Amino acid sequence: QVQLQESGPGLVKPSQTLSLTCTVSGGSISSGGYYWSWIRQHPGKGLEWIGYIYYSGSTYYNPSLKSRVTISVDTSKNQFSLKLSSVTAADTAVYYCARGKRRSSGQNNWFDPWGQGTLVTVSS
Amino acid sequence: AIRMTQSPSSFSASTGDRVTITCRASQGISSYLAWYQQKPGKAPKLLIYAASTLQSGVPSRFSGSGSGTDFTLTISCLQSEDFATYYCQQYYSYPPLTFGGGTKVEIK
Repeated sequence: QVQLQESGPGLVKPSQTLSLTCTVSGGSISSGGYYWSWIRQHPGKGLEWIGYIYYSGSTYYNPSLKSRVTISVDTSKNQFSLKLSSVTAADTAVYYCARGKRRSSGQNNWFDPWGQGTLVTVSS
Repeated sequence: AIRMTQSPSSFSASTGDRVTITCRASQGISSYLAWYQQKPGKAPKLLIYAASTLQSGVPSRFSGSGSGTDFTLTISCLQSEDFATYYCQQYYSYPPLTFGGGTKVEIK
């Protein structure tokens, strides 16, 4: 079955850019039918959707983060990536990648599966 | 943005109890609702989608109901492995896709 695995630095300095990659195994990003999302969870808090990308490269972002977020896809490596610029301590969170089923209307449905998550701490 | 409100935020229950968690949307979302279970240090796991459809492999003691603005997740006979935090998520309208604040089910 499809599995997702996040990777990237666990510590980022304030004002710098957070960069994470999600590697997909057991299925191809290029097969279509799914959106590939980033979701974060602040320590002890709830879940916040950051945005998603389709294999074609089309993206959709959370308006609250849109000015700082870039999600890209590398179909040759079966990976998609997150860049979050100008980070502050408020961006400290566990970051998850997840697959979202695309419905006939073109919108994203529920998320399944999820990666295990990676904690990113923003600190000098 | 559609706001999802869960209640209660936490409660204690005993093994064998029937428990119900509520999720309310700030506007109608038809049946475009999913439920997830999250255990400490783990990623959320999909339990239910389309408000009432059980994800493959999820025990039948879990069930979901509702449409429009009011939804419930019911665990018919609480097991030890069910002590966790539960989240609802709407996918009716976005951006943004939104989650409820979570309901933590603790051992009494």
